[in-house]
Amino acid sequence: QSALTQPASVSGSPGQAITISCTGTSSDVGGYNYVSWYQQHPGKVPKLMLYDVTNRPSGVSIRFSGSKSGNTASLTISGLQAEDEAAYYCSSYTNTSTLYVFGTGTQVTVL
Amino acid sequence: EVQLAESGGGLVKSGGSLRLSCAASEFTFSSYSMNWVRQAPGKGLEWVSSISGSGSFIYYAESVKGRFTISRDNAENSLYLQMNSLRVEDTAVYYCAFGDLVNDAFNIWGQGTKVTVSS
Repeated sequence: QSALTQPASVSGSPGQAITISCTGTSSDVGGYNYVSWYQQHPGKVPKLMLYDVTNRPSGVSIRFSGSKSGNTASLTISGLQAEDEAAYYCSSYTNTSTLYVFGTGTQVTVL
Repeated sequence: EVQLAESGGGLVKSGGSLRLSCAASEFTFSSYSMNWVRQAPGKGLEWVSSISGSGSFIYYAESVKGRFTISRDNAENSLYLQMNSLRVEDTAVYYCAFGDLVNDAFNIWGQGTKVTVSS
């Protein structure tokens, strides 16, 4: 099971919107609405930002939103803030012999 | 407060074994599937293994299948990962994690335990 494909880096200026893609296959991202997104600051534990493609856990800013089209899921951060600078990982359920797969990770830089 | 606390990490030589533990508190442990996720130095997250609440359903990443064994003791509120035939590429911080919103999204994580495999 290969990792889901994410861009290595995405950057934006404060206040802008950025989008991170997460591309898989019909066995994972494309086949199920079980895509999650995690934020990880350096040296910190990952934090769940979105689950089941579009759902935000309590306490997560409404600036974070998700969508999916075909085999690609996307995380959009609106009104980019300095505190959003972090690594972001997608994850999906997969119907292969494994169960879950993470994305390759995207470093978000706030210019 | 819901908590997970990993232990058991350390330095081991290639081919050796380690047993990681994850102590759970302040939630009904047996009701939730539990997971191990690892992160090699400077690398991304990698799902390692999952076990259902009853322990009846177990899954592994291909990279650890046949070498690692996940288990749990619901009476002791503990999750385990027995790691055998360790390789240098198993060097990572190992997190236990679970989702109390939905099974497939991990919103509760431990602080992690570091495993270093030397050649």
